[in-house]
Amino acid sequence: LAKTTQPISMDSYEGQEVNITCSHNNIATNDYITWYQQFPSQGPRFIIQGYKTKVTNEVASLFIPADRKSSTLSLPRVSLSDTAVYYCLVGDRKAGGTSYGKLTFGQGTILTVHP
Amino acid sequence: GAVVSQHPSRVICKSGTSVKIECRSLDFQATTMFWYRQFPKQSLMLMATSNEGSKATYEQGVEKDKFLINHASLTLSTLTVTSAHPEDSSFYICSATPTGPAYYEQYFGPGTRLTVT
Repeated sequence: LAKTTQPISMDSYEGQEVNITCSHNNIATNDYITWYQQFPSQGPRFIIQGYKTKVTNEVASLFIPADRKSSTLSLPRVSLSDTAVYYCLVGDRKAGGTSYGKLTFGQGTILTVHP
Repeated sequence: GAVVSQHPSRVICKSGTSVKIECRSLDFQATTMFWYRQFPKQSLMLMATSNEGSKATYEQGVEKDKFLINHASLTLSTLTVTSAHPEDSSFYICSATPTGPAYYEQYFGPGTRLTVT
C-alpha cells in the first residue's frame, strides 16, 4: 500500500477555503485516493474519492495532478464544525463486486478552524 | 447513507475479564468488516479483517487469541477482548462496505471506548 504524507496540523478561520495536500509518491496504477474526516471519539466519515483530475461533491473538491503523486482536498468556506482530523488514504478500489480493500491510515491532518 | 452501529459505546472492565464489542450494519449486508484500534492522539490501526462465515485475518502483531473475532452473519461481527489488561484500553472502531459492485465507500461505526482498570 502506498504511503501518504500530510501536514500534521493546519489552522484556518471561518469562511476561508482550506486546502490540505497529501503526498503519495508510490501510488500504484490501480490505486484510488480517498479522504476521510474524523471528529474526536467518533468513527471516520467518508468525504470524497478520486482517481485523477478533479472530483467535486457537496462538501469538498479533490484535485489530483496528472502524475497522481499528490492530491489536494479543498474545503470551501470552512466553519467551526469542520475542525477535525482529515486522513488521506491510497489504495486499490476493488472492482467486480467484492468488498473494498483494507485501509491504511496515516497520521492525518488536524484542522483547527478559528472564529 | 449506510449505517454501522457499535455496542457498547463505552465499557469499563476489570483487568483479567473479557469484553465483547458488537458491530452491526443496520441497513445493508457486509461480507467483510474491519476492526481498528485507536489510541489517544494517534491514527487508526487496522487490527483484523472479519469475513462472514470464515476465520478472521489478523494484522501483524495482533494476537488472534486475545482479540477473538466472530462474523456469524452478514450484518454482525463481534470482537472479544479476552483477559483484558490496562494496555488494551483504547478506542475500537469497526467498518463495513455494502456487498456489491456499486459500493466502494467504507462506513465506520461510532466506536467503543474500552477502559480496563
